[in-house]
Amino acid sequence: NAGVTQTPKFRILKIGQSMTLQCTQDMNHNYMYWYRQDPGMGLKLIYYSVGAGITDKGEVPNGYNVSRSTTEDFPLRLELAAPSQTSVYFCASSPRDTEAFFGQGTRLTVV
Amino acid sequence: EDQVTQSPEALRLQEGESSSLNCSYTVSGLRGLFWYRQDPGKGPEFLFTLYSAGEEKEKERLKATLTKKESFLHITAPKPEDSATYLCAVQSRRDNAGNNRKLIWGLGTSLAVNP
Repeated sequence: NAGVTQTPKFRILKIGQSMTLQCTQDMNHNYMYWYRQDPGMGLKLIYYSVGAGITDKGEVPNGYNVSRSTTEDFPLRLELAAPSQTSVYFCASSPRDTEAFFGQGTRLTVV
Repeated sequence: EDQVTQSPEALRLQEGESSSLNCSYTVSGLRGLFWYRQDPGKGPEFLFTLYSAGEEKEKERLKATLTKKESFLHITAPKPEDSATYLCAVQSRRDNAGNNRKLIWGLGTSLAVNP
């Protein structure tokens, strides 16, 4: 099993550009999450999903969108990138909304 | 307000020097407390879940304990490969609408073990 796979690993965006962070898991987990991690701020939940077709906002959803068309995939869309979105983004999955399994992260810089 | 505080922020140990990391929490009804390990440039790696005061879990040189106000991660005779940031997170019980509460994360303790 590959676990949770995120692409790309690194990306530099210009202000106002858009992009999609990809996340896929092969563990057949129902729950999936997107977090951002900033120095001194801890992990913050952006969006989560409890199953295919169901998504909901977390603590910091502004400027992001998600979709969950399959159990495996949970892409995160950034529209009109801003410097405040410079961060490390982690996707995670969980079988029961308990322990979570994280991907390797995407380091995004908006300039 | 639900809150998680980890201490110390950073800890440097000699190989074999045992110590403990602390995670203090305030939450309206604990559903679970989680410990993760995070290596530089990597995602957090799940270590333990604790559900009730008095519970203990062990894995190799790590032992996690839980009281009603805090959790400790004890590291016995650490090795350089134990160097990492250790994260604590808590999850409260379902809210009145029946929704699971989301995890509240601490800022972590950065552990360095010198050979």
